[in-house]
Amino acid sequence: DVHLVESGGGLVQPGRSLRLSCAASGFKFENYAMHWVRQAPGKGLEWVSGISWGSGNIAYADSVKGRFTIFRDNAKNFLYLQMNSLRTDDTAFYYCAKPKTAAPGCLDRWGQGTLVTVSS
Amino acid sequence: DIQMTQSPSSLSASVGDTVTINCRTSQDINTYLNWYQQKLGQPPDLLITGASSLQSGVPSRFSGSGSGTDFSLTISGLRPEDFATYYCQQSYSYPYTFGPGTKLEIK
Repeated sequence: DVHLVESGGGLVQPGRSLRLSCAASGFKFENYAMHWVRQAPGKGLEWVSGISWGSGNIAYADSVKGRFTIFRDNAKNFLYLQMNSLRTDDTAFYYCAKPKTAAPGCLDRWGQGTLVTVSS
Repeated sequence: DIQMTQSPSSLSASVGDTVTINCRTSQDINTYLNWYQQKLGQPPDLLITGASSLQSGVPSRFSGSGSGTDFSLTISGLRPEDFATYYCQQSYSYPYTFGPGTKLEIK
């Protein structure tokens, strides 16, 4: 059974950094692109970043470009999101998501999310 | 970036009704359009990929159609568990943008 478990969220001051982790199990992690999607409380979904299976293709939403870095460790089955220069509008639940086989943008498995709160 | 719009933003309906949610993209995305259902406090569930392909396990009362820039999700014969928020998402090109969502409420 596919399992995605995010961790690393919490309360952080504006301008500080935070690193999110996503532990993946139940599938061959190294074969799949992976994504981060966020959702501010009471708001809609926002795709944040995606990384190909071998890290050769990486993309970011304009809202986080230059501040966030996605990376992965295929040996440990972990996905990460390094978030720097955090702003209050980065406050959200952050989900890691796995795409369907052969459909890199169709997110068929999601973690339960980790809440990041940026506030002074 | 590809912009997404959805209509309506909210919808009231009764059990047994048939409802349609629309999604429009700012450029031609062929059929690279997916639909998700999200219930309160839960992550989204993938319902439909490729504009019209039902995910395994999704009831046949859900259907999707469209191509190019105009798409729709239809739920025929609403059941109590269908009251949720629905999002479209394009997977044609990065960034993989989502629509703003349609909240389906019980009348």
